[in-house]
Amino acid sequence: DQQVKQNSPSLSVQEGRISILNCDYTNSMFDYFLWYKKYPAEGPTFLISISSIKDKNEDGRFTVFLNKSAKHLSLHIVPSQPGDSAVYFCAGGTSGSRLTFGEGTQLTVNP
Amino acid sequence: EAGVVQSPRYKIIEKKQPVAFWCNPISGHNTLYWYRQNLGQGPELLIRYENEEAVDDSQLPKDRFSAERLKGVDSTLKIQPAELGDSAVYLCASSLQGPHTVAFFGQGTRLTVV
Repeated sequence: DQQVKQNSPSLSVQEGRISILNCDYTNSMFDYFLWYKKYPAEGPTFLISISSIKDKNEDGRFTVFLNKSAKHLSLHIVPSQPGDSAVYFCAGGTSGSRLTFGEGTQLTVNP
Repeated sequence: EAGVVQSPRYKIIEKKQPVAFWCNPISGHNTLYWYRQNLGQGPELLIRYENEEAVDDSQLPKDRFSAERLKGVDSTLKIQPAELGDSAVYLCASSLQGPHTVAFFGQGTRLTVV
C-alpha cells in the first residue's frame, strides 16, 4: 500500500525558473508533512514541513502547499538554482509515529 | 552540533555472512530510527526506538535482522545471514520526542551483498 506517492520520477527546469514538485497521499491520519532533499552518497536533509491544519508554509525560496481535500501537497522552489539539483522526498507522518516516504523526484536545474 | 553518525559508510560482504551497522544519534534525541532505502525508492522504516524500547518493529524481518539500543543512545543493526536482496542503503535517523518532530538522518551505510 503506497501511502505517499510522487508520480514524477524526474523534473528538469532552467535556472531562475520555478520548480514544482508534487506529492499525493492516501492516509487521512497524517497530521504533518515534510520535504527532504538528498544529494548522492548523503542522507536525506530536512527542508521544510507543514502541519495538516495549514495550507501553506514558506521558508525563503521554498514554499509547501497542502490541499487536504485533494490529499495533495507540492513544493515550490523560486528561483531555482543549480545547487537545488537533488532527489526530493515528501513524507507524511502522525505525531509519535513513523514517517512514510514517497519514492522521490530527481530535480535537475540547468544553468 | 554533531549530526547523526553512522559507520561504516560502505560494506561489501558475501551472501550468508553477517554484517552490523552502528549509529550514534544527535545528543538529546530520544527517538532513533533505522530505515532501509532501495535503489529508486524512498526510505522505509525498519524499526523505531523511544529511548531503549523498540516501539515499532513491524517492518523488521526478524528471522535475520536484529537491532539493539543499549542505554538509549547508540544503536546497532545486524543482519545474519545476509541475502542478495539485502543490498541497499541503511539509514539511521534521530529526533526529539513530541508532535510534528523532524527526523535528522545520517549519511547511511551502503551495503552490497555479492
